[in-house]
Amino acid sequence: DAGITQSPRHKVTETGTPVTLRCHQTENHRYMYWYRQDPGHGLRLIHYSYGVKDTDKGEVSDGYSVSRSKTEDFLLTLESATSSQTSVYFCATEPGTSRNNEQFFGPGTRLTVL
Amino acid sequence: TQLLEQSPQFLSIQEGENLTVYCNSSSVFSSLQWYRQEPGEGPVLLVTVVTGGEVKKLKRLTFQFGDARKDSSLHITAAQPGDTGLYLCAGPETSGSRLTFGEGTQLTVNP
Repeated sequence: DAGITQSPRHKVTETGTPVTLRCHQTENHRYMYWYRQDPGHGLRLIHYSYGVKDTDKGEVSDGYSVSRSKTEDFLLTLESATSSQTSVYFCATEPGTSRNNEQFFGPGTRLTVL
Repeated sequence: TQLLEQSPQFLSIQEGENLTVYCNSSSVFSSLQWYRQEPGEGPVLLVTVVTGGEVKKLKRLTFQFGDARKDSSLHITAAQPGDTGLYLCAGPETSGSRLTFGEGTQLTVNP
């Protein structure tokens, strides 16, 4: 267990409002990831970070931004939430010491945009 | 295009039965991982297979990596209700690249 927490665990918001999801890890892992999980699409990568202040886009990054000011925290922001962003969001971390990219996941945040 | 295809998508069996789920790709992967996800939780890593033809066992679960490193299988012997969950395969196409996930196999083991 990599000691990954996500907050909030559940959130209901309205279209057009900004939303920030937080991922916190206690393992000093180098890499952090944000995924969304939807029926029929599996896990899709939104953004990832390979170090403090170093981030890059994943396959479904439109409408999302991220920040990583400390090793332990990775924030995902929906600038103006839309109903299509209703999903379950998972944070994952990776030590960066293995060639196999094994990842450790948080418990998820269920976001509903009305 | 999904690089990793898992089959079947859904599987419902009775306790005590054996089953196999598959993870296939047209691409070569440097390694493949299997995760299990229970309802309301994040995926948990079960195993990583690295060498073509490799077989790993985890109690009643047997994982195999294809000789050409394009496919993998997970066999469960004498399934139990506690095996219920979403089984995901994932892999980096090249060592160090980002993971690609399959859509998963949803397994239900009925008592």
